[in-house]
Amino acid sequence: QKEVEQNSGPLSVPEGAIASLNCTYSDRGSQSFFWYRQYSGKSPELIMFIYSNGDKEDGRFTAQLNKASQYVSLLIRDSQPSDSATYLCAVNTNAGKSTFGDGTTLTVKP
Amino acid sequence: GAVVSQHPSWVICKSGTSVKIECRSLDFQATTMFWYRQFPKQSLMLMATSNEGSKATYEQGVEKDKFLINHASLTLSTLTVTSAHPEDSSFYICSAQGGQGGYNEQFFGPGTRLTVL
Repeated sequence: QKEVEQNSGPLSVPEGAIASLNCTYSDRGSQSFFWYRQYSGKSPELIMFIYSNGDKEDGRFTAQLNKASQYVSLLIRDSQPSDSATYLCAVNTNAGKSTFGDGTTLTVKP
Repeated sequence: GAVVSQHPSWVICKSGTSVKIECRSLDFQATTMFWYRQFPKQSLMLMATSNEGSKATYEQGVEKDKFLINHASLTLSTLTVTSAHPEDSSFYICSAQGGQGGYNEQFFGPGTRLTVL
């Protein structure tokens, strides 16, 4: 079992819809959780991080964390074609090292 | 804030030569920097963890004598690909851990695209 697993995708949604990206992790000692966006040919950029159970909202993005289920998700509301990218989930342990998932490719169709 | 630069952004070199890539955290001090490699349409692969003032920790399967890492200061880490070969052609990305968030988030540089002829 991989330490961090993401839906392999690709995920396709129409413009204006909600895109839901999911991530599960195996280490119960994980402390903080990150979502990165990577456009094709570019390096990842940090979108959000979350460390407490529940929801965290930032504009059109909402991160959800459930430590009991070892599950973290990213919701993108009112999806735009510019949101088309690969989304990487990363999980940090106390030691501070990040483990990345393989990413989910999202396509938002106009 | 939390800006990381990389230089060069792309490089083409002949087989057998060495290439040095610099990674700088511009507005914060990074005690830890990471070096990743990414082949087309594949996920990020962590190569090594670089801590200021100490030897880098390499991931399994990464040749430390081929990929030399130096973390001379809290804002600069370098990766030198020695005796590069065509199979080393890839997208090399560094990240710096730190910033004001305090949750060990990583901030990525823009990457260096290496092509070895």
